[in-house]
Amino acid sequence: DGGITQSPKYLFRKEGQNVTLSCEQNLNHDAMYWYRQDPGQGLRLIYYSQIVNDFQKGDIAEGYSVSREKKESFPLTVTSAQKNPTAFYLCATTQRQEEVYGYTFGSGTRLTVV
Amino acid sequence: AQSVAQPEDQVNVAEGNPLTVKCTYSVSGNPYLFWYVQYPNRGLQFLLKYITGDNLVKGSYGFEAEFNKSQTSFHLKKPSALVSDSALYFCAVRGGFNAGKSTFGDGTTLTVKP
Repeated sequence: DGGITQSPKYLFRKEGQNVTLSCEQNLNHDAMYWYRQDPGQGLRLIYYSQIVNDFQKGDIAEGYSVSREKKESFPLTVTSAQKNPTAFYLCATTQRQEEVYGYTFGSGTRLTVV
Repeated sequence: AQSVAQPEDQVNVAEGNPLTVKCTYSVSGNPYLFWYVQYPNRGLQFLLKYITGDNLVKGSYGFEAEFNKSQTSFHLKKPSALVSDSALYFCAVRGGFNAGKSTFGDGTTLTVKP
């Protein structure tokens, strides 16, 4: 929503395939985040990046990879090593990494393994 | 490590009645607390935040939240609920050594009945 675009909205993956989820922002925010949402489990952090060309693992990074080559873009790749990738994926940004800033979220990508 | 607990999976209220959605937190150092709302198949939207100052914080759509340091709580409130308030609500905390990222609760589903 707002200045964050996530695409596609729905994505289907076959077993053994890698897929990439796009997140683009025009808010000029420094920090970007990927969260995974499963029913009844809230949001869990996959990866985050506070500046270009740098990123850190979150709580559930295994089976995922990211890059931050441009300030505006933070794509997430779900690899075949992720055994249970079916979930709703949310990208978020904050103006700065400091604590006082809340998140702005994209509208999400729903990934389903078929 | 920081953590957030939302003890109620579901809150049901009648339209026009006051509502409370509970949140407790644990964090080293000063807490920075946030409430977000999520409508079906959408990203989260920021409602309000506590950084410092008055313990009662006012936010969007008539919501407010009360910070209680001794009880480590940050409950979301609204004096008169609307049917359109029905949604999934998340409490989040930033601060301490994990200032670069937020930790979310599991969410509380609010249902307001006419």
